[in-house]
Amino acid sequence: AQSVTQLGSHVSVSEGALVLLRCNYSSSVPPYLFWYVQYPNQGLQLLLKYTSAATLVKGINGFEAEFKKSETSFHLTKPSAHMSDAAEYFCAVVTGGFKTIFGAGTRLFVKA
Amino acid sequence: NAGVTQTPKFQVLKTGQSMTLQCAQDMNHNSMYWYRQDPGMGLRLIYYSASEGTTDKGEVPNGYNVSRLNKREFSLRLESAAPSQTSVYFCASTNEETQYFGPGTRLLVL
Repeated sequence: AQSVTQLGSHVSVSEGALVLLRCNYSSSVPPYLFWYVQYPNQGLQLLLKYTSAATLVKGINGFEAEFKKSETSFHLTKPSAHMSDAAEYFCAVVTGGFKTIFGAGTRLFVKA
Repeated sequence: NAGVTQTPKFQVLKTGQSMTLQCAQDMNHNSMYWYRQDPGMGLRLIYYSASEGTTDKGEVPNGYNVSRLNKREFSLRLESAAPSQTSVYFCASTNEETQYFGPGTRLLVL
């Protein structure tokens, strides 16, 4: 069965610092991997996705993620945090069929 | 192009009452989904519809029913609401891998 684990339900960084949100997945077949972002009182929106092309994927708002098959990881990074990055971030996996499996989410706090 | 729309935005029910959450998409997507979001649990799939005319159970279907009225609309019904169904409900649609979400319905069951 496919699953997604996000390490850390809360992450706090200072404005301008590196953002690193961790995601590990399990899948018996090559996965499609996603990061979604949810701002307060809104639905989720796509940040970036990996679909077996380049292993380093660039998304919106300066975020990027690297697919590492050997580590079964898809960690999300941003070199310099901005106050507007404060949100909840969800890692997700799709391995065929019509269902997406979401991680439990990581809430990012950005301190001034 | 409104994307995915949901009504109502907020609802308060008493235990035992029924209600239907409405969802519509204008992106001509084949697949539609209903999720519930609870703190610390991410999104859990309630029901999904891979195409018009088909529906299937997800991870947490008990206490819910769905109807795929046509390609655009996918409704979620609570026949007899329970406090455990207090949650935020999201509808989503997809044509390939990426999911497009509505703004959500906040439901409080007293």
